Amino acid sequence: SQQGEEDPQALSIQEGENATMNCSYKTSINNLQWYRQNSGRGLVHLILIRSNEREKHSGRLRVTLDTSKKSSSLLITASRAADTASYFCGNYQLIWGAGTKLIIKP
Amino acid sequence: EPEVTQTPSHQVTQMGQEVILRCVPISNHLYFYWYRQILGQKVEFLVSFYNNEISEKSEIFDDQFSVERPDGSNFTLKIRSTKLEDSAMYFCASSATGNTEAFFGQGTRLTVV
Repeated sequence: SQQGEEDPQALSIQEGENATMNCSYKTSINNLQWYRQNSGRGLVHLILIRSNEREKHSGRLRVTLDTSKKSSSLLITASRAADTASYFCGNYQLIWGAGTKLIIKP
Repeated sequence: EPEVTQTPSHQVTQMGQEVILRCVPISNHLYFYWYRQILGQKVEFLVSFYNNEISEKSEIFDDQFSVERPDGSNFTLKIRSTKLEDSAMYFCASSATGNTEAFFGQGTRLTVV
């Protein structure tokens, strides 16, 4: 299977805390992309990290990629209520799983 | 800001009927994709399309499915003889190259009754 997995499946934290979610995959990739999905809506592109990059930042988001372990992590710092959503990692036809459901409690 | 648009937003069809889901990718993009998501669960890749032909397809994309780029702007997914289990959200996406961001449309919710 070329599927991957996001971990944890669900995460509930207090507003202001940091949220970390992970993505593991099985095959070689040229990049890995993280997306956010609010309930019933489309996937919104957050960040792309290429296979020759180890870390990338965008605002409150920090993504790491370890190609030797075939894993990536997404860190959201200083979480807000609006960050409540499901988060997916994917690479075109590869990876894609059930996502991490993030709930930010006020 | 350029975006991927999908129509219709919701389609209800009778079991056994054919449906066509439509997508307008971002205008300068060359790679196109279809995915489905059942009940807010995992995202499943269906097919990718480049240079007027299918480049990759999953096990889900069997003879029931077909894709077409009928003109310079539209990209369609046809599902023949729909089944109850085809009920899902179908997402179209496009990317400029095979190593750049893939942007998704808002999806078409397909309900087969």
